[in-house]
Amino acid sequence: AQSVTQPDIHITVSEGASLELRCNYSYGATPYLFWYVQSPGQGLQLLLKYFSGDTLVQGIKGFEAEFKRSQSSFNLRKPSVHWSDAAEYFCAVGASGTYKYIFGTGTRLKVLA
Amino acid sequence: EAGVAQSPRYKIIEKRQSVAFWCNPISGHATLYWYQQILGQGPKLLIQFQNNGVVDDSQLPKDRFSAERLKGVDSTLKIQPAKLEDSAVYLCASSSRGGNTDTQYFGPGTRLTVL
Repeated sequence: AQSVTQPDIHITVSEGASLELRCNYSYGATPYLFWYVQSPGQGLQLLLKYFSGDTLVQGIKGFEAEFKRSQSSFNLRKPSVHWSDAAEYFCAVGASGTYKYIFGTGTRLKVLA
Repeated sequence: EAGVAQSPRYKIIEKRQSVAFWCNPISGHATLYWYQQILGQGPKLLIQFQNNGVVDDSQLPKDRFSAERLKGVDSTLKIQPAKLEDSAVYLCASSSRGGNTDTQYFGPGTRLTVL
């Protein structure tokens, strides 16, 4: 069965520092991968997605993610974090042959001024 | 373009009571999803509609949860009777076609507290 693991429940970084959020998936075929962000009291907003092609994907708000098939990973990165990036981040996989997304448990990001 | 609308935003009920949530998807979106997000977890799909037909309701607790999407637009999710473990945020999402490469757009959610 497909699954998504986000190993870090909480991450704290200083404003201006770089950020990497980890996501590992378990899936037999090529997955469709997504990163969403959820600010307090808000719904989920799509940051970026990967279906095929270039394994480095650019998203909104200066985020990027790299698909590494050999490591079954789709880590989210940002070179310089802003205080407004404090939120919860969810990785999701869309399984071929179904219409489902399977979400990870999320990583809560705290940004220190 | 208006986003996905949900109401109410917050609801507090006692166990064994019933509750209903409403969702209005983005105009023209054929597919509508209801997710349950328990605190500390990622969203879990409860039910997916394609127009007014159910595509997947395998994780919907059908003894107490029901959902409908009349006329293929708005949708209502009902819980009757509620249990303590139903406390969660209920998210509605919509997408234009419903394939697994299709971006899902989420509403702000309804936070349900069952006492």
